[in-house]
Amino acid sequence: AIQMTQSPSSLSASVGDRVTITCRASQGIRNDLGWYQQRPGTAPKLLIYAASSLQSGVPSRFSGSGSGTDFTLTISSLQPEDVATYYCLQDYNYPLTFGGGTKVEIK
Amino acid sequence: QVQLQESGPGLVKPSETLSLTCTVSGGSVSSDNYYWTWIRQPPGKGLEWIGYIFHSGSTNYNPSLKSRVTISVDTSKKQFSLKLSSMTAADTAVYYCARRIAATEGEAFDIWGQGTMVTVSS
Repeated sequence: AIQMTQSPSSLSASVGDRVTITCRASQGIRNDLGWYQQRPGTAPKLLIYAASSLQSGVPSRFSGSGSGTDFTLTISSLQPEDVATYYCLQDYNYPLTFGGGTKVEIK
Repeated sequence: QVQLQESGPGLVKPSETLSLTCTVSGGSVSSDNYYWTWIRQPPGKGLEWIGYIFHSGSTNYNPSLKSRVTISVDTSKKQFSLKLSSMTAADTAVYYCARRIAATEGEAFDIWGQGTMVTVSS
């Protein structure tokens, strides 16, 4: 199975800060990667698919980039409602595998 | 608007079989574009893909659970179900059903149920 490694595992930033989360795949996965946001006590929510395509209704401060093995989720200006854990997911092959998550908090 | 809702017991005894159902409202399970999926999350931990079923009945399971998992679909009831046998404490988790969309632009889990907590305990 493809291993997905996220970093950092947690971060604390101020409102308005630019936040970057990275995800590395153990082998090349083209651009077959999604990003999901999970607020406390709720189900995950799709943010980004195909590495860089913004899901309808998701604020434009979220963006994704990368291809092959290295991917990035960026929040351009952190907002209080962005407090959540973020997961990457590789869609390249089965079994689908998630990264370990990055917990984002407000400083 | 399509919604998913999980149902089933919140408590299962060790060695027993878990049975969960996901009911799809506001849409059809028979589209060729969707894979109906189960995902779980142990308390305080990350997400694990369990498997999916297509409306035709074809399935794909996580090899780590394959020997214990069965996913089925009832298109007339707009439901799909999960059975996980030989439950142990390690299977304690929130179980989510989700719709996986397969489009030309890419694939993703675009709709999720709210999740149901399942505890394995005697």
